[in-house]
Amino acid sequence: KQEVTQIPAALSVPEGENLVLNCSFTDSAIYNLQWFRQDPGKGLTSLLLIQSSQREQTSGRLNASLDKSSGRSTLYIAASQPGDSATYLCAVNQGSQGNLIFGKGTKLSVKP
Amino acid sequence: NAGVTQTPKFQVLKTGQSMTLQCAQDMNHEYMSWYRQDPGMGLRLIHYSVGAGITDQGEVPNGYNVSRSTTEDFPLRLLSAAPSQTSVYFCATTRGRGSEAFFGQGTRLTVV
Repeated sequence: KQEVTQIPAALSVPEGENLVLNCSFTDSAIYNLQWFRQDPGKGLTSLLLIQSSQREQTSGRLNASLDKSSGRSTLYIAASQPGDSATYLCAVNQGSQGNLIFGKGTKLSVKP
Repeated sequence: NAGVTQTPKFQVLKTGQSMTLQCAQDMNHEYMSWYRQDPGMGLRLIHYSVGAGITDQGEVPNGYNVSRSTTEDFPLRLLSAAPSQTSVYFCATTRGRGSEAFFGQGTRLTVV
């Protein structure tokens, strides 16, 4: 059974720092991996989607990498800002139905 | 484009009551799914559909019922609400198994 783990569970950094969020999964047979952002009391906002054949994807200050063989993905956030404070979730798509298996998230706090 | 719309946003039920959580999408996606999010558990799949008239169970289907009569709508029915169904419910849609998933804003349900 696929398991997705995110470390750390919580992270607090000063504004301006570059930071890395980690996601690992136990079964490398995935279609893709998706990173989401969730603000308190809100829904999930898609940040980046990496297909299994890709190594990384970039969007603005965000860069996500995927090493399928080792079962790892990282989300790199450059020059963090207080507005980046949120919970970040990673999810893998393993089945033909397009359903996702989620990690429990990393709660990020960026202090001004 | 509204994307994925969930109603209601908040609901309080008494044990034993039934209700339907609504989910509508205007993205013309075939795949739709329901997740619940609980503290410490992450998001877990309840039911999903790969097209009108086709539904299947996810990881935690007990106590829930779904049907899919149109591409746009995928309602989730609670047959007899229990306190264990207190949760935040999210509806998601995707074009297909390798595609990006989009989520609604969620329904926060409390069963007393």
